[in-house]
Amino acid sequence: AQSVTQPDIHITVSEGASLELRCNYSYGATPYLFWYVQSPGQGLQLLLKYFSGDTLVQGIKGFEAEFKRSQSSFNLRKPSVHWSDAAEYFCAVGHSGGGADGLTFGKGTHLIIQP
Amino acid sequence: DSGVTQTPKHLITATGQRVTLRCSPRSGDLSVYWYQQSLDQGLQFLIQYYNGEERAKGNILERFSAQQFPDLHSELNLSSLELGDSALYFCASSVEGRIYGVGGYTFGSGTRLTVV
Repeated sequence: AQSVTQPDIHITVSEGASLELRCNYSYGATPYLFWYVQSPGQGLQLLLKYFSGDTLVQGIKGFEAEFKRSQSSFNLRKPSVHWSDAAEYFCAVGHSGGGADGLTFGKGTHLIIQP
Repeated sequence: DSGVTQTPKHLITATGQRVTLRCSPRSGDLSVYWYQQSLDQGLQFLIQYYNGEERAKGNILERFSAQQFPDLHSELNLSSLELGDSALYFCASSVEGRIYGVGGYTFGSGTRLTVV
């Protein structure tokens, strides 16, 4: 069965500093990978997705992620964070078939921005 | 506004009761997905409907059921409610039936269910 691990429950970063959120997945085939962001009281918003091709994926709000098959990772990065980036971030792997089309999410990483 | 509408936003009910959560997908989207978000389980996929038909099932309890109507809105029915059913319930929609469709998912803002 597929699984997603986000090893960091909380991360604190100073405003203007760079950010990297870690995501490791377990999946038996080529994964479909996603990063979502959830602000308090809101639904999840898609930041970026990887299906195939270039392993460096650009998303919205200045985020990017790199797919590394050898490490089973899909880490999210941003060169300079803003206070508005404080939120919960979820990595997810998509099922490519076999009867279940849902996403499997990690437990999330809570990002705190220090002034 | 994501375009996916969920009602009600908040729901408080007693154990043993039955509730219905409603979701209107984004215009043009044919697929509706239901997710449960709780502190201990995280985000769990419950069920998917595509153009009125059940497409896939995840970790959905037998006490829960869903349907998608001809106008494509969907309802999630939760019965014999237990304290552990307290959670955020999200609906998401997509144009295609597969998660690797063009736009991926669009999530609604959720219904917070509290069972007392």
